[in-house]
Amino acid sequence: DQQVKQNSPSLSVQEGRISILNCDYTNSMFDYFLWYKKYPAEGPTFLISISSIKDKNEDGRFTVFLNKSAKHLSLHIVPSQPGDSAVYFCAAIIQGAQKLVFGQGTRLTINP
Amino acid sequence: GAGVSQSPSNKVTEKGKDVELRCDPISGHTALYWYRQSLGQGLEFLIYFQGNSAPDKSGLPSDRFSAERTGGSVSTLTIQRTQQEDSAVYLCASSLAAYNSPLHFGNGTRLTVT
Repeated sequence: DQQVKQNSPSLSVQEGRISILNCDYTNSMFDYFLWYKKYPAEGPTFLISISSIKDKNEDGRFTVFLNKSAKHLSLHIVPSQPGDSAVYFCAAIIQGAQKLVFGQGTRLTINP
Repeated sequence: GAGVSQSPSNKVTEKGKDVELRCDPISGHTALYWYRQSLGQGLEFLIYFQGNSAPDKSGLPSDRFSAERTGGSVSTLTIQRTQQEDSAVYLCASSLAAYNSPLHFGNGTRLTVT
């Protein structure tokens, strides 16, 4: 049972344009969401997060949007840069559960 | 400061052998996690340690898998009688105790069972 789903295994975007990565979840109990970025041969690194009491959180070029009614979140990167090429994982957690549930990841490629 | 350290970075073993994977978390982080990523898959939760509490072992795929955390710091993940389906990247992460504290991952151990 995949509680967190990233339906696009890959995405290709031109440098300077907006990258939009999507994530859907099924468990309405999730109340905190995170995005991680992973380069080859490295562990994932934390990128940005959002609490369920918000619908948007912004940090520089990165913005995460949360639509609780649709159980959907998205990560926007603008403008996209070649260094953004990586695999992006969304993750969700229930307060008190301490177990982060990850999606399958989306490989983002930024083309010059 | 040092991040999460995992060793070895790569391990090739024959089917049926036992392996031990080591994780040194960030100093002061009381929570420690093991995840694995199989080829083309997401991150699969294996086990979670928090302070002196009993670990959450709900993600361990079989009784061939076990983990311990000594002195609230270093952790070892042991896989007995390895099978080819155990081949994956095993990732360790640590964090502060709060549920919304981001996980800090090591670079993983790539395990290949031949």
